[in-house]
Amino acid sequence: EVQLVESGGGLVQPGGSLRLSCAASGFTFSSYWMSWVRQAPGKGLEWVANINQDGSEKYYVDSVKGRFTISRDNAKNSLYLQMNSLRAEDTAVYYCARAQSSSAGVYFDYWGQGTLVTVSS
Amino acid sequence: SYELTQPPSVSVSPGQTARITCSGDALPKQYAYWYQQKPGQAPVLVIYKDSERPSGIPERFSGSSSGTTVTLTISGVQAEDEADYYCQSADSSGTVVFGGGTKLTVL
Repeated sequence: EVQLVESGGGLVQPGGSLRLSCAASGFTFSSYWMSWVRQAPGKGLEWVANINQDGSEKYYVDSVKGRFTISRDNAKNSLYLQMNSLRAEDTAVYYCARAQSSSAGVYFDYWGQGTLVTVSS
Repeated sequence: SYELTQPPSVSVSPGQTARITCSGDALPKQYAYWYQQKPGQAPVLVIYKDSERPSGIPERFSGSSSGTTVTLTISGVQAEDEADYYCQSADSSGTVVFGGGTKLTVL
Protein backbone atom coordinates (compact mmCIF):
# COMPACT_ATOMS: atom_id res chain seq x y z
CA GLU A 1 0.00 0.00 0.00
CA VAL A 2 1.36 3.40 -1.00
CA GLN A 3 1.77 5.70 1.99
CA LEU A 4 3.00 9.28 2.12
CA VAL A 5 3.36 10.88 5.56
CA GLU A 6 4.25 14.55 5.88
CA SER A 7 5.80 16.18 8.92
CA GLY A 8 7.50 19.39 9.93
CA GLY A 9 4.65 21.87 9.73
CA GLY A 10 3.92 24.41 12.43
CA LEU A 11 3.79 28.09 13.34
CA VAL A 12 6.60 30.29 12.07
CA GLN A 13 7.12 34.04 12.01
CA PRO A 14 7.28 35.99 8.74
CA GLY A 15 10.77 35.81 7.33
CA GLY A 16 11.45 32.54 9.09
CA SER A 17 12.29 29.08 7.77
CA LEU A 18 10.79 25.63 7.96
CA ARG A 19 11.68 22.24 6.52
CA LEU A 20 8.94 19.81 5.58
CA SER A 21 9.55 16.09 5.21
CA CYS A 22 7.58 13.34 3.51
CA ALA A 23 8.21 9.69 4.32
CA ALA A 24 7.24 7.36 1.48
CA SER A 25 6.53 3.64 1.62
CA GLY A 26 4.78 0.92 -0.34
CA PHE A 27 6.44 1.69 -3.68
CA THR A 28 9.89 2.08 -5.24
CA PHE A 29 10.46 5.70 -4.26
CA SER A 30 13.49 6.21 -6.51
CA SER A 31 11.42 5.40 -9.62
CA TYR A 32 8.98 8.28 -9.35
CA TRP A 33 8.81 12.02 -9.70
CA MET A 34 7.56 13.62 -6.47
CA SER A 35 5.79 16.89 -5.78
CA TRP A 36 4.53 19.34 -3.19
CA VAL A 37 1.07 20.85 -3.54
CA ARG A 38 -0.42 23.34 -1.09
CA GLN A 39 -3.86 24.58 -0.15
CA ALA A 40 -4.44 27.82 1.70
CA PRO A 41 -7.31 27.78 4.23
CA GLY A 42 -10.62 27.74 2.36
CA LYS A 43 -8.86 28.02 -1.02
CA GLY A 44 -8.02 25.77 -3.94
CA LEU A 45 -5.06 23.58 -4.73
CA GLU A 46 -1.77 25.16 -5.82
CA TRP A 47 1.14 23.20 -7.19
CA VAL A 48 4.43 24.19 -5.49
CA ALA A 49 7.29 22.08 -6.87
CA ASN A 50 8.30 18.90 -8.69
CA ILE A 51 11.48 16.85 -8.58
CA ASN A 52 12.53 14.02 -10.85
CA GLN A 53 13.76 10.60 -9.83
CA ASP A 54 17.41 11.46 -9.17
CA GLY A 55 16.91 15.08 -8.17
CA SER A 56 18.54 16.52 -11.28
CA GLU A 57 15.37 18.29 -12.48
CA LYS A 58 13.34 20.62 -10.30
CA TYR A 59 10.45 22.92 -11.15
CA TYR A 60 8.76 25.56 -9.01
CA VAL A 61 5.74 27.83 -9.13
CA ASP A 62 6.89 31.41 -9.69
CA SER A 63 5.75 32.60 -6.24
CA VAL A 64 8.26 30.37 -4.41
CA LYS A 65 11.25 30.49 -6.76
CA GLY A 66 14.38 31.53 -4.88
CA ARG A 67 12.74 30.89 -1.48
CA PHE A 68 11.79 27.19 -1.50
CA THR A 69 13.96 24.20 -2.38
CA ILE A 70 12.66 20.72 -3.12
CA SER A 71 15.00 17.78 -2.55
CA ARG A 72 14.94 14.06 -1.96
CA ASP A 73 16.95 11.26 -0.35
CA ASN A 74 16.26 8.03 -2.18
CA ALA A 75 18.21 6.01 0.39
CA LYS A 76 15.78 7.21 3.05
CA ASN A 77 12.66 7.16 0.83
CA SER A 78 12.10 10.78 1.78
CA LEU A 79 11.08 14.02 0.10
CA TYR A 80 11.80 17.45 1.53
CA LEU A 81 10.76 21.07 1.09
CA GLN A 82 13.04 23.72 2.56
CA MET A 83 11.06 26.93 2.93
CA ASN A 84 12.91 30.20 3.59
CA SER A 85 11.79 33.83 3.79
CA LEU A 86 8.28 32.70 4.62
CA ARG A 87 5.38 35.05 4.06
CA ALA A 88 1.83 35.15 5.39
CA GLU A 89 0.60 34.03 1.97
CA ASP A 90 2.56 30.79 2.34
CA THR A 91 0.13 29.71 5.08
CA ALA A 92 -1.41 26.47 3.84
CA VAL A 93 -1.70 22.74 4.19
CA TYR A 94 1.22 21.26 2.29
CA TYR A 95 0.66 17.91 0.60
CA CYS A 96 3.31 15.50 -0.59
CA ALA A 97 2.23 13.72 -3.76
CA ARG A 98 3.58 10.97 -5.97
CA ALA A 99 3.74 12.24 -9.54
CA GLN A 100 3.35 10.42 -12.81
CA SER A 101 5.41 12.25 -15.43
CA SER A 102 5.56 11.38 -19.11
CA SER A 103 4.95 12.84 -22.53
CA ALA A 104 1.28 12.72 -21.51
CA GLY A 105 1.91 15.28 -18.81
CA VAL A 106 2.26 15.33 -15.04
CA TYR A 107 -0.36 14.27 -12.54
CA PHE A 108 -0.61 13.05 -8.96
CA ASP A 109 -1.83 9.54 -8.22
CA TYR A 110 -1.20 9.35 -4.48
CA TRP A 111 -1.32 12.08 -1.83
CA GLY A 112 -0.36 12.35 1.80
CA GLN A 113 -2.72 13.77 4.43
CA GLY A 114 -0.87 17.08 4.56
CA THR A 115 0.91 19.19 7.14
CA LEU A 116 -0.21 22.69 8.14
CA VAL A 117 2.19 25.61 7.90
CA THR A 118 1.09 28.86 9.53
CA VAL A 119 3.12 32.01 8.96
CA SER A 120 2.15 34.63 11.51
CA SER A 121 3.66 36.94 14.10
CA SER B 1 1.70 30.51 -17.22
CA TYR B 2 -1.81 29.71 -18.33
CA GLU B 3 -5.02 29.31 -16.42
CA LEU B 4 -7.75 26.71 -16.07
CA THR B 5 -11.27 28.02 -15.48
CA GLN B 6 -13.98 26.09 -13.65
CA PRO B 7 -17.45 27.16 -12.48
CA PRO B 8 -17.42 27.82 -8.72
CA SER B 9 -20.41 25.60 -8.07
CA VAL B 10 -22.68 22.98 -9.59
CA SER B 11 -25.84 21.59 -8.00
CA VAL B 12 -27.74 18.43 -8.89
CA SER B 13 -30.34 16.16 -7.35
CA PRO B 14 -29.50 12.57 -6.45
CA GLY B 15 -29.64 10.27 -9.45
CA GLN B 16 -29.17 13.07 -11.95
CA THR B 17 -26.08 13.77 -14.06
CA ALA B 18 -23.53 16.38 -13.00
CA ARG B 19 -21.22 17.98 -15.53
CA ILE B 20 -18.25 20.07 -14.42
CA THR B 21 -16.31 21.95 -17.08
CA CYS B 22 -12.74 23.18 -17.19
CA SER B 23 -11.47 25.56 -19.87
CA GLY B 24 -7.92 26.45 -20.86
CA ASP B 25 -6.05 27.45 -23.99
CA ALA B 26 -3.50 24.65 -23.63
CA LEU B 27 -6.03 21.86 -23.22
CA PRO B 28 -6.07 20.89 -26.92
CA LYS B 29 -2.35 20.09 -26.54
CA GLN B 30 -2.14 18.85 -22.96
CA TYR B 31 -4.05 16.17 -21.08
CA ALA B 32 -6.35 17.08 -18.21
CA TYR B 33 -6.73 15.35 -14.88
CA TRP B 34 -9.51 15.51 -12.27
CA TYR B 35 -9.38 15.26 -8.47
CA GLN B 36 -12.12 14.91 -5.88
CA GLN B 37 -11.58 16.45 -2.45
CA LYS B 38 -13.93 15.99 0.48
CA PRO B 39 -13.74 18.27 3.54
CA GLY B 40 -10.70 17.61 5.69
CA GLN B 41 -9.32 15.00 3.30
CA ALA B 42 -6.56 14.86 0.72
CA PRO B 43 -7.48 15.00 -2.98
CA VAL B 44 -8.16 11.76 -4.83
CA LEU B 45 -7.47 11.26 -8.55
CA VAL B 46 -10.71 10.35 -10.34
CA ILE B 47 -9.80 10.86 -14.03
CA TYR B 48 -6.45 10.92 -15.80
CA LYS B 49 -5.44 11.63 -19.41
CA ASP B 50 -8.78 13.32 -20.11
CA SER B 51 -10.95 10.21 -19.85
CA GLU B 52 -9.16 7.33 -18.13
CA ARG B 53 -10.49 6.12 -14.79
CA PRO B 54 -8.08 4.82 -12.10
CA SER B 55 -8.82 1.48 -10.53
CA GLY B 56 -11.27 1.78 -7.66
CA ILE B 57 -13.07 4.81 -9.07
CA PRO B 58 -16.77 4.10 -9.77
CA GLU B 59 -17.87 3.83 -13.39
CA ARG B 60 -20.27 6.74 -12.93
CA PHE B 61 -17.23 9.05 -13.18
CA SER B 62 -16.18 9.83 -16.76
CA GLY B 63 -14.20 12.48 -18.59
CA SER B 64 -14.24 13.97 -22.05
CA SER B 65 -12.43 16.62 -24.05
CA SER B 66 -13.45 18.97 -26.82
CA GLY B 67 -11.19 21.78 -27.98
CA THR B 68 -10.27 24.07 -25.10
CA THR B 69 -12.77 22.48 -22.70
CA VAL B 70 -12.68 19.26 -20.73
CA THR B 71 -15.67 17.90 -18.82
CA LEU B 72 -16.02 15.67 -15.78
CA THR B 73 -19.35 13.85 -15.86
CA ILE B 74 -20.84 12.07 -12.86
CA SER B 75 -23.81 9.93 -13.88
CA GLY B 76 -26.39 8.92 -11.30
CA VAL B 77 -24.97 11.27 -8.67
CA GLN B 78 -24.97 9.97 -5.11
CA ALA B 79 -24.87 11.91 -1.87
CA GLU B 80 -21.29 10.71 -1.29
CA ASP B 81 -20.18 12.52 -4.46
CA GLU B 82 -20.68 15.89 -2.79
CA ALA B 83 -17.18 17.37 -2.79
CA ASP B 84 -14.86 19.87 -4.40
CA TYR B 85 -13.54 18.90 -7.82
CA TYR B 86 -10.36 20.25 -9.38
CA CYS B 87 -9.05 19.96 -12.92
CA GLN B 88 -5.30 20.01 -13.52
CA SER B 89 -2.96 20.18 -16.46
CA ALA B 90 0.65 21.04 -17.21
CA ASP B 91 2.31 23.35 -19.67
CA SER B 92 5.29 22.59 -21.89
CA SER B 93 7.76 24.10 -19.39
CA GLY B 94 7.12 21.41 -16.80
CA THR B 95 4.93 23.48 -14.52
CA VAL B 96 1.56 22.32 -13.25
CA VAL B 97 -1.69 24.24 -13.11
CA PHE B 98 -4.90 23.56 -11.18
CA GLY B 99 -8.30 25.02 -11.89
CA GLY B 100 -9.94 27.03 -9.16
CA GLY B 101 -12.20 24.16 -8.13
CA THR B 102 -15.92 23.45 -8.35
CA LYS B 103 -18.09 22.70 -5.34
CA LEU B 104 -20.58 19.98 -6.21
CA THR B 105 -23.71 20.11 -4.10
CA VAL B 106 -26.12 17.18 -4.06
CA LEU B 107 -29.52 18.64 -3.29
